Amino acid sequence: SQQGEEDPQALSIQEGENATMNCSYKTSINNLQWYRQNSGRGLVHLILIRSNEREKHSGRLRVTLDTSKKSSSLLITASRAADTASYFCATDASESGAGSYQLTFGKGTKLSVIP
Amino acid sequence: DAGVIQSPRHEVTEMGQEVTLRCKPISGHNSLFWYRQTMMRGLELLIYFNNNVPIDDSGMPEDRFSAKMPNASFSTLKIQPSEPRDSAVYFCASSLRGSQKKLFFGSGTQLSVL
Repeated sequence: SQQGEEDPQALSIQEGENATMNCSYKTSINNLQWYRQNSGRGLVHLILIRSNEREKHSGRLRVTLDTSKKSSSLLITASRAADTASYFCATDASESGAGSYQLTFGKGTKLSVIP
Repeated sequence: DAGVIQSPRHEVTEMGQEVTLRCKPISGHNSLFWYRQTMMRGLELLIYFNNNVPIDDSGMPEDRFSAKMPNASFSTLKIQPSEPRDSAVYFCASSLRGSQKKLFFGSGTQLSVL
């Protein structure tokens, strides 16, 4: 079953605009990660935010986490055509324990950045 | 580092045939994961290994699926016999214990069972 659910399913913006994608999850988590997948390729890790963090930045990426609402958002600022990809959130459920590796992915948001 | 290497990149086979997918994890990584990706179900974890030992195979859909990791640098996922509903992209990923479960993915194997 899916733990994380991304919203929207698809997003189309002009180059230079900001893109915001959201992720909702169901159970308590240790951390939440965002991955990018270019067409025909594997997923690439972008950023990880721990359950005790509220915001994290990496370059043009900004991730927020609201554990009370069980939601996260990924903001890509000043988007580029090269940002066109699918973006997935992945959650590490806290009940899974340190010895477990149950990282559960959502179905992703497909982002298209138009030049 | 070459990253996670999967082979083949594409596999087309007929129903009933045996299919073997291969994976070489990143050197030094001690956890290995097999995922399956479809439009309908997204990314599903099939099985993962820790230090070459299978830890959780509850995601393996049926007995037709089996996975092995004979050493730290090689793993296989076998489907025997294959069925059309097995058509999907199969990903292998590896991670380093203590890395907060950041996964490094291979490029995947696109499997088509006719």
